Amino acid sequence: NAGVTQTPKFQVLKTGQSMTLQCAQDMNHEYMSWYRQDPGMGLRLIHYSVGAGITDQGEVPNGYNVSRSTTEDFPLRLLSAAPSQTSVYFCASSRDRNYQPQHFGDGTRLSIL
Amino acid sequence: DQQVKQNSPSLSVQEGRISILNCDYTNSMFDYFLWYKKYPAEGPTFLISISSIKDKNEDGRFTVFLNKSAKHLSLHIVPSQPGDSAVYFCAASGAQFYFGTGTSLTVIP
Repeated sequence: NAGVTQTPKFQVLKTGQSMTLQCAQDMNHEYMSWYRQDPGMGLRLIHYSVGAGITDQGEVPNGYNVSRSTTEDFPLRLLSAAPSQTSVYFCASSRDRNYQPQHFGDGTRLSIL
Repeated sequence: DQQVKQNSPSLSVQEGRISILNCDYTNSMFDYFLWYKKYPAEGPTFLISISSIKDKNEDGRFTVFLNKSAKHLSLHIVPSQPGDSAVYFCAASGAQFYFGTGTSLTVIP
């Protein structure tokens, strides 16, 4: 029972570098989302997707891109990393967006120097 | 502006007693509310939810209460156990999901 799998678990980047955080789920969930968790801020929604080919912005989308080419995968791209993007990133999925609890991955801890 | 607020960053309770975690929200359009539990180095785990048409939902030791007029949500854990020690997040859903900042619960044996 893999659930939601995030890779890598840890990453250190230099300012200006790019990288992709991977997220995969094996539950055939339509709704997937990315959050960042910062001290004193809780979890904030970055981007979400209600199905393959459909994505939308959340509360804090600037500096991040997403795509959803398959139901299973929802990668998050940082095009030019900034120290303000140092955070713990969580991916989540649910059967659909309405009245369904989300299942979370274990997170990616990202540090940008 | 924070749409979901948890004003108590931490709470300590004796084992066997009741733990009450509180959450306030500002948007009256929210219609689905959830509580998650989070251990260090793990992702949040769904605990219990309630829709806006109800005012109470129970699941074993966990009960969630919703007061729509006050825009207030609470989670009761009875009896509290040491394994309940974790950070608890409340969340609300309308067009998007919004999470509170979390309350760290410590259950003292």
